[in-house]
Amino acid sequence: GESVGLHLPTLSVQEGDNSIINCAYSNSASDYFIWYKQESGKGPQFIIDIRSNMDKRQGQRVTVLLNKTVKHLSLQIAATQPGDSAVYFCAEITGSYIPTFGRGTSLIVHP
Amino acid sequence: NAGVTQTPKFQVLKTGQSMTLQCAQDMNHEYMSWYRQDPGMGLRLIHYSVGAGITDQGEVPNGYNVSRSTTEDFPLRLLSAAPSQTSVYFCASSKDTATNEKLFFGSGTQLSVL
Repeated sequence: GESVGLHLPTLSVQEGDNSIINCAYSNSASDYFIWYKQESGKGPQFIIDIRSNMDKRQGQRVTVLLNKTVKHLSLQIAATQPGDSAVYFCAEITGSYIPTFGRGTSLIVHP
Repeated sequence: NAGVTQTPKFQVLKTGQSMTLQCAQDMNHEYMSWYRQDPGMGLRLIHYSVGAGITDQGEVPNGYNVSRSTTEDFPLRLLSAAPSQTSVYFCASSKDTATNEKLFFGSGTQLSVL
């Protein structure tokens, strides 16, 4: 079946560095791709999304890149801060409008 | 707005017991859903609702029941709890299915079944 997966379960970075979290997807019919952030003890929180007809979208300190050729999605966080430490999930939505979530990547920011 | 409110935050059950996890939202959202989160498994959809009076099954519905009598509330019922249902449960909502790219999540219920 279709799935959303992540390349790395844990990513450790130094404060101030840029972080890149990767996600592979297999459903070429997906309409939306979304990134969520989940801090310890809390529910996931929407960060940014990108439609399938786009290659790049920027937010505040975050950029999402979509490479449909290789079915790859990435979240770039600029100048990573300790408050960015969390688990990051990618998700995709197809025509069924039901989001399918990946397993998550834990981002650890060292001061 | 309080957003999505889940109660209780923690619950311990014995095998065979029943209970209801509560979820309420005050954003007038049409779409509501329940997920379970297990280590290394991400979020898996249990049940969802596109509006009052309408519910449907997700990826892992067995052992759970839902109802949607009002727009605000979407309770999740465990009829006979099993250890395999030990998990963290999240309720999520969105304005409607056209905006499902932006779900609002509650803070979760940690359930242990002994």
